[in-house]
Amino acid sequence: SAVISQKPSRDICQRGTSLTIQCQVDSQVTMMFWYRQQPGQSLTLIATANQGSEATYESGFVIDKFPISRPNLTFSTLTVSNMSPEDSSIYLCSARTGGGTEAFFGQGTRLTVV
Amino acid sequence: AQSVTQLGSHVSVSEGALVLLRCNYSSSVPPYLFWYVQYPNQGLQLLLKYTTGATLVKGINGFEAEFKKSETSFHLTKPSAHMSDAAEYFCAVRGFGNEKLTFGTGTRLTIIP
Repeated sequence: SAVISQKPSRDICQRGTSLTIQCQVDSQVTMMFWYRQQPGQSLTLIATANQGSEATYESGFVIDKFPISRPNLTFSTLTVSNMSPEDSSIYLCSARTGGGTEAFFGQGTRLTVV
Repeated sequence: AQSVTQLGSHVSVSEGALVLLRCNYSSSVPPYLFWYVQYPNQGLQLLLKYTTGATLVKGINGFEAEFKKSETSFHLTKPSAHMSDAAEYFCAVRGFGNEKLTFGTGTRLTIIP
């Protein structure tokens, strides 16, 4: 298994600003993912964070809005840029080990944009 | 392609009664199937998973689920509901060889005292 820590756990931000969310895993993992969970809804995959290369984004998500870094096998960041109230969501980091089948999740970052 | 359908966005059961949360999936390759639980203001916790082998899988907190290939279903059950089971439950699928996990829309379980 893997324990995932996310920081910050919550934040209230002004529109037009950016917020960087950090995700730290307690062991080396092969795959890391970022999800968005809008209020009262399910999880939507934003992108797969690739170690040492550009992230792979899902349809509807772009690098300019959600830049992602993954400098090593245990750490990743997601930045929500030029925020608007529509970006108010929970953002969750997820990871899966190379030989594992299940994904583990962080506690999430609850973002409110005002 | 893969997808998940959860029937019933809200389910209410009495304390001590049977819990049944429904999940149907679609996958073009053999699936890995998962149930996750999300308590208020928390992340997702894995309840149980099906990969291969025995089709009836047992998870934490007394939950179990049965993989039925002919019905493309993976329903979650618990014989006797407890107040602490109140949460949001998500079914998810990942096709063999696919890196991405696809979630259902979730079912909010309410326990009536």
